Amino acid sequence: DTAVSQTPKYLVTQMGNDKSIKCEQNLGHDTMYWYKQDSKKFLKIMFSYNNKELIINETVPNRFSPKSPDKAHLNLHINSLELGDSAVYFCASSQDAGTSGTYEQYFGPGTRLTVT
Amino acid sequence: AQSVTQLDSHVSVSEGTPVLLRCNYSSSYSPSLFWYVQHPNKGLQLLLKYTSAATLVKGINGFEAEFKKSETSFHLTKPSAHMSDAAEYFCVVSDRFLSGGYNKLIFGAGTRLAVHP
Repeated sequence: DTAVSQTPKYLVTQMGNDKSIKCEQNLGHDTMYWYKQDSKKFLKIMFSYNNKELIINETVPNRFSPKSPDKAHLNLHINSLELGDSAVYFCASSQDAGTSGTYEQYFGPGTRLTVT
Repeated sequence: AQSVTQLDSHVSVSEGTPVLLRCNYSSSYSPSLFWYVQHPNKGLQLLLKYTSAATLVKGINGFEAEFKKSETSFHLTKPSAHMSDAAEYFCVVSDRFLSGGYNKLIFGAGTRLAVHP
């Protein structure tokens, strides 16, 4: 069974559209994350949720809105897509948010978003 | 502030020779350090982690790394490279005390490892 899964794997869309990426983890973790990897492979955290509560919100345009319906799912909705949003988006999860120690994060396979 | 510097953007070795991927970090307190590997068009896989226990950390696939506080380094090594080791490697730091108590990972820019026959 895949520990952290994302759908879709590839997403091609036009500027101005709205799209969503879904993420699910079956590890029983409390904390989930979204990362963006740009064309130079640089990875940066965007958001983190702990038990459905937003705990990390980096300087991301408010066109990006994460939603966590339960602690096993963290979705990313993007409004009014722009060319610069083209990237690979990774979901990750960890045992907890760090309150009891530093736990490694487990990453999904990524979603390659291409905006034309 | 926390930061990670991977000193080489590309490293090329011959199969069977040693691998050295260099990483320096900046963190005010006692950081946790990780190495992740990303194979082409794949997600990230944890190779190993340091969280203030033994300074020499052994990971998967024969990789290991040594935490040297005096040099603020966490270099990744492997005695003998295999063709399947060709991938992008990321050095990562997390310092909960500087991140409001949360596990916030700061990634280095990555080192692309090429392995030649």
